[in-house]
Amino acid sequence: SQTIHQWPATLVQPVGSPLSLECTVEGTSNPNLYWYRQAAGRGLQLLFYSVGIGQISSEVPQNLSASRPQDRQFILSSKKLLLSDSGFYLCAWSMAYEQYFGPGTRLTVT
Amino acid sequence: KQEVTQIPAALSVPEGENLVLNCSFTDSAIYNLQWFRQDPGKGLTSLLLIQSSQREQTSGRLNASLDKSSGRSTLYIAASQPGDSATYLCAVNGATNKLIFGTGTLLAVQP
Repeated sequence: SQTIHQWPATLVQPVGSPLSLECTVEGTSNPNLYWYRQAAGRGLQLLFYSVGIGQISSEVPQNLSASRPQDRQFILSSKKLLLSDSGFYLCAWSMAYEQYFGPGTRLTVT
Repeated sequence: KQEVTQIPAALSVPEGENLVLNCSFTDSAIYNLQWFRQDPGKGLTSLLLIQSSQREQTSGRLNASLDKSSGRSTLYIAASQPGDSATYLCAVNGATNKLIFGTGTLLAVQP
């Protein structure tokens, strides 16, 4: 069966510090991968998606970036965090149009 | 631009009651619609996926319907239990495999 992992589970970072969140999927090959953010009081927003290694599409302009160095690994990064980057970050994968989500990372920027 | 709305934003019911959660979307050109459950501080759990050619899907006490032409979906929960308490999210897929989410309905089932 397929499983999706995210780490860390929680993170507190100062403004201006770098960020790296990792997501890995097991039990499937060549999945579509997604990064979403859920900010307090707001809905889920798609940030990036990837249909293959090295193929990244950005949905919103921001100071975040994403990379897919391996088939089942998706990384969300930032060089300098902003206060507005605080939120709950969710990674998801899909095959045949149904999406499955990871446990999420709670990021607090102070 | 696709917009997804969920009504009500919050709902509190006594245990055992049947309930309906509503989801509406502005662009009927969707490929499928997915209902999720989110517990506090957790990720999303997929409940039901309805393809655009389908009218409804059932899983246990859950039944989801889809009326694509009117831009509506409902999630029916039968015989609600305190363990059903969570936020319920609907999301539409416009065949690009990118989901557009509603803001959710926060459900509280009182024992």
